[in-house]
Amino acid sequence: GESVGLHLPTLSVQEGDNSIINCAYSNSASDYFIWYKQESGKGPQFIIDIRSNMDKRQGQRVTVLLNKTVKHLSLQIAATQPGDSAVYFCAERIDTGFQKLVFGTGTRLLVSP
Amino acid sequence: NAGVTQTPKFRILKIGQSMTLQCTQDMNHNYMYWYRQDPGMGLKLIYYSVGAGITDKGEVPNGYNVSRSTTEDFPLRLELAAPSQTSVYFCASSPRGRFQPQHFGDGTRLSIL
Repeated sequence: GESVGLHLPTLSVQEGDNSIINCAYSNSASDYFIWYKQESGKGPQFIIDIRSNMDKRQGQRVTVLLNKTVKHLSLQIAATQPGDSAVYFCAERIDTGFQKLVFGTGTRLLVSP
Repeated sequence: NAGVTQTPKFRILKIGQSMTLQCTQDMNHNYMYWYRQDPGMGLKLIYYSVGAGITDKGEVPNGYNVSRSTTEDFPLRLELAAPSQTSVYFCASSPRGRFQPQHFGDGTRLSIL
């Protein structure tokens, strides 16, 4: 992901809506992708992952979609709740023979009751 | 299960002072990592380790040192603190394996004045 400086893109939704957070990744050779959630003052928390041989993976209330043609990853959150408010960022594993991750800068999700 | 534990949570240093950020994990993970996170930016890898006695530089190693004498502990040392090292520092760990997410601690917020 590219640096966007000090201002994170923000997605504002109403409680109960579905949220879609997008991520453009940088390397066509990346073989593994992870979504993390980061709440204020906390460390990144693992949400869901997907390998490059898949195009969709579902978890509890979350779905990750992978489009390798355009190097795009999305995280869908169903029935968004106030507790989902956080910064969400994607990470890609570039195959360097070791599991190094490259992290995007993130999107802030604000959920209004 | 505590996961990844970082101490201290906050610290203020004067320019030129030194300190060690502590990181310990109780998941028996082989791999450990240190990142820094600047406001609005993605995580940048400082150092990583694939096992006890083995460490290697990441993207931004200058001004830092690490050691890995045990599987559990991976301390990060700042020798001569500089204002550019003001940041939030995260330690992470992951099991050996190609498709394993990294698990993070809650960070150390460091200010150099």
